[in-house]
Amino acid sequence: NAGVTQTPKFQVLKTGQSMTLQCAQDMNHNSMYWYRQDPGMGLRLIYYSASEGTTDKGEVPNGYNVSRLNKREFSLRLESAAPSQTSVYFCASSEGKPMPLHFGNGTRLTVT
Amino acid sequence: GQQLNQSPQSMFIQEGEDVSMNCTSSSIFNTWLWYKQDPGEGPVLLIALYKAGELTSNGRLTAQFGITRKDSFLNISASIPSDVGIYFCAGFDGDSGYSTLTFGKGTMLLVSP
Repeated sequence: NAGVTQTPKFQVLKTGQSMTLQCAQDMNHNSMYWYRQDPGMGLRLIYYSASEGTTDKGEVPNGYNVSRLNKREFSLRLESAAPSQTSVYFCASSEGKPMPLHFGNGTRLTVT
Repeated sequence: GQQLNQSPQSMFIQEGEDVSMNCTSSSIFNTWLWYKQDPGEGPVLLIALYKAGELTSNGRLTAQFGITRKDSFLNISASIPSDVGIYFCAGFDGDSGYSTLTFGKGTMLLVSP
């Protein structure tokens, strides 16, 4: 039982390049989330999907887009990467409210 | 938005010592969660609290949901080197229209053997 799987684990981009971070969960959870983690800032919500077919902005959505492809998969896209998007990105899922979130192991992204 | 104040920011202790950390908020929460993040990994749930005044243990860890619903505490007894990591509190308020968790900024724990 893998839980929440994120790919890739590491990525280096140049400013202006685009990429998609992939996330899949095998726990049949309804809700999925994308967070970024920066030193001293804790975890900040980028986007979330409360259920299949819906997405909503979180605290820091600018520069990102998401797609809830199906119940299992939730992707995060950077259309034109900027150095300020250098961060560790975590995907999470939950069954509903109140939630404990189940996190993946993160994607470490560097934008030069 | 809602904010959680987590303290201390970091702790450096000797193996065997007890540890206490806490989170406070200006808002009321209905659920408090405590997570631990090991280096290079995602956060893992330690304890979930769903009722004001609730005291819950998980091995050497004990967490409490404050009676005012605006704070929570995590205690670790007899620390060991594998307790090293970042501990996050998170609060959920299902009443105000916020449908997601609010995270504290974390407490980094270092344990010296």
